[in-house]
Amino acid sequence: DGGITQSPKYLFRKEGQNVTLSCEQNLNHDAMYWYRQDPGQGLRLIYYSQIVNDFQKGDIAEGYSVSREKKESFPLTVTSAQKNPTAFYLCASSILQANTEAFFGQGTRLTVV
Amino acid sequence: DQQVKQNSPSLSVQEGRISILNCDYTNSMFDYFLWYKKYPAEGPTFLISISSIKDKNEDGRFTVFLNKSAKHLSLHIVPSQPGDSAVYFCAASAVGTSYGKLTFGQGTILTVHP
Repeated sequence: DGGITQSPKYLFRKEGQNVTLSCEQNLNHDAMYWYRQDPGQGLRLIYYSQIVNDFQKGDIAEGYSVSREKKESFPLTVTSAQKNPTAFYLCASSILQANTEAFFGQGTRLTVV
Repeated sequence: DQQVKQNSPSLSVQEGRISILNCDYTNSMFDYFLWYKKYPAEGPTFLISISSIKDKNEDGRFTVFLNKSAKHLSLHIVPSQPGDSAVYFCAASAVGTSYGKLTFGQGTILTVHP
């Protein structure tokens, strides 16, 4: 089955530690995205990538880093510089065509303890 | 600056009735609008979309209406079913931007009572 796989589903991190969230897709999509959801808010864009080895900052990139070494993979690292990292993180992908939807993974709940 | 707004945090309707979810936007460059449905602790799933060249798009029980002059869109669900209970997000993308780079509203929690 084609889709987007995020792992792990739940993640706990101690303050001051970096943590990497995994995102893999087998949809053969060129573009991939990371969004963050906080309670009572919509999804906000962290980073996106349209091609391997290239990515751009979204609206809330501070304290995060990404890489795109393979078309299928777009891991997100939450660094210790992120002041409020506890949130629900969603990875998405899409084809590179106007007027098309993004497909989302099941999300990773990150909790800083 | 909230460019996409869903001003109703929640909506409650009876099974079989119509559900109307509303969304307003401020950015005139938005030309494609989408509705996503989301259950707790899951990723959003795409529901329906509309291009700015249309004013209505229908898919089964779901219809989206777009009023460009008012910068307003709405999602109609008829008839509503208990399984429709979820959070609904309105999203938009702008001309010339990256294709899946979406701006989301805050979401509306829909509860359909049996």
